Amino acid sequence: DGGITQSPKYLFRKEGQNVTLSCEQNLNHDAMYWYRQDPGQGLRLIYYSQIVNDFQKGDIAEGYSVSREKKESFPLTVTSAQKNPTAFYLCASSGDTDTQYFGPGTRLTVL
Amino acid sequence: GEDVEQSLFLSVREGDSSVINCTYTDSSSTYLYWYKQEPGAGLQLLTYIFSNMDMKQDQRLTVLLNKKDKHLSLRIADTQTGDSAIYFCAETPRLNYGGATNKLIFGTGTLLAVQP
Repeated sequence: DGGITQSPKYLFRKEGQNVTLSCEQNLNHDAMYWYRQDPGQGLRLIYYSQIVNDFQKGDIAEGYSVSREKKESFPLTVTSAQKNPTAFYLCASSGDTDTQYFGPGTRLTVL
Repeated sequence: GEDVEQSLFLSVREGDSSVINCTYTDSSSTYLYWYKQEPGAGLQLLTYIFSNMDMKQDQRLTVLLNKKDKHLSLRIADTQTGDSAIYFCAETPRLNYGGATNKLIFGTGTLLAVQP
């Protein structure tokens, strides 16, 4: 059963903590993406990776970090430097057609 | 610059047709997409159209593209209560040298409310 999984579904963070959101895909896609969604807004690109061991900043990378050690996995760390981290985080991947397919999302809340 | 605009809200009765509109600014866009998002869920790809096409039909969905006016629309025939969701339009702009990017520019989404 191919697809994109994200975990956890809900995540709570205290002020000053780093947290890592997981994204895994078994679609054999080369490219993976992280987006942030705020209420009433479209999606904004945080980071993307077109190939293993390589990634680029998106439009709102400050306060976030990523790694791409395996093709299947693209974890996102929300650091304490991110001033307003409460949001819905969506991971996506794309293959040869460049069409992006999305995971179910992780809702992060800062307490 | 790159910008995608959508109206915020559309209300229709069950069984009627829905038309969700989108305007974009990058005339060199390669693909244009429609995604559906149900409450608390990720985005589901509904359909897409290549920029050299002007229409695409897929069961109850019809996409119309007017490149001259940079206008994209999604028509849902026989709208059902299960179609209630937020619908996002997105484009993939071209790079300066003409190559395609895999960066998606999203609109703010249109909330479709279907009344029984």
